[in-house]
Amino acid sequence: EAGVTQSPTHLIKTRGQQATLRCSPISGHTSVYWYQQALGLGLQFLLWYDEGEERNRGNFPPRFSGRQFPNYSSELNVNALELEDSALYLCASSSRTGMGEQYFGPGTRLTVT
Amino acid sequence: QKEVEQDPGPLSVPEGAIVSLNCTYSNSAFQYFMWYRQYSRKGPELLMYTYSSGNKEDGRFTAQVDKSSKYISLFIRDSQPSDSATYLCAMSAYSSASKIIFGSGTRLSIRP
Repeated sequence: EAGVTQSPTHLIKTRGQQATLRCSPISGHTSVYWYQQALGLGLQFLLWYDEGEERNRGNFPPRFSGRQFPNYSSELNVNALELEDSALYLCASSSRTGMGEQYFGPGTRLTVT
Repeated sequence: QKEVEQDPGPLSVPEGAIVSLNCTYSNSAFQYFMWYRQYSRKGPELLMYTYSSGNKEDGRFTAQVDKSSKYISLFIRDSQPSDSATYLCAMSAYSSASKIIFGSGTRLSIRP
């Protein structure tokens, strides 16, 4: 069974640009979560999608947005990039909306210069 | 003060040693406690999941929760070089996975 996949592996952007990150969940999983992992800060919850709807968002500005497609894959968009957006962005999927196991992808390393 | 505090390490121990990893927290409402392992250039993987207080054992791994002290621990027995990774504690007051608060991780290195 294929795990959670994310693309691209690395992304380099300049300040003010937009970044698009993609995630494909494990087959059969309907929930997708996005996290930001900045150096020394642990994982910060960004967004949660389930059945195509945004269910919850973390304490991030509106320039962080995303969507979930009918096949449950998901996209994270970051507009007006700032230097402090440089981080590892992780996607996780789960089969239930509760506290079921979350399976993480390998992440996309975003560098903003 | 952060809701979850975790010593960043790095922690280096010889192969075969018992490893103790710890987190403290401030929110007494936390009742779901987890430990994740993250290898370099990989996403975290769930190691242990505990609800409320007590101990849970899985092979060489034991998770302990002491809610009175707001302190959780992960013990690794007979540590192996393959255990070298960053260990993240995580906890939540709610059953929704979107409410999980993660520690910043402890980097562990097992010397052969």
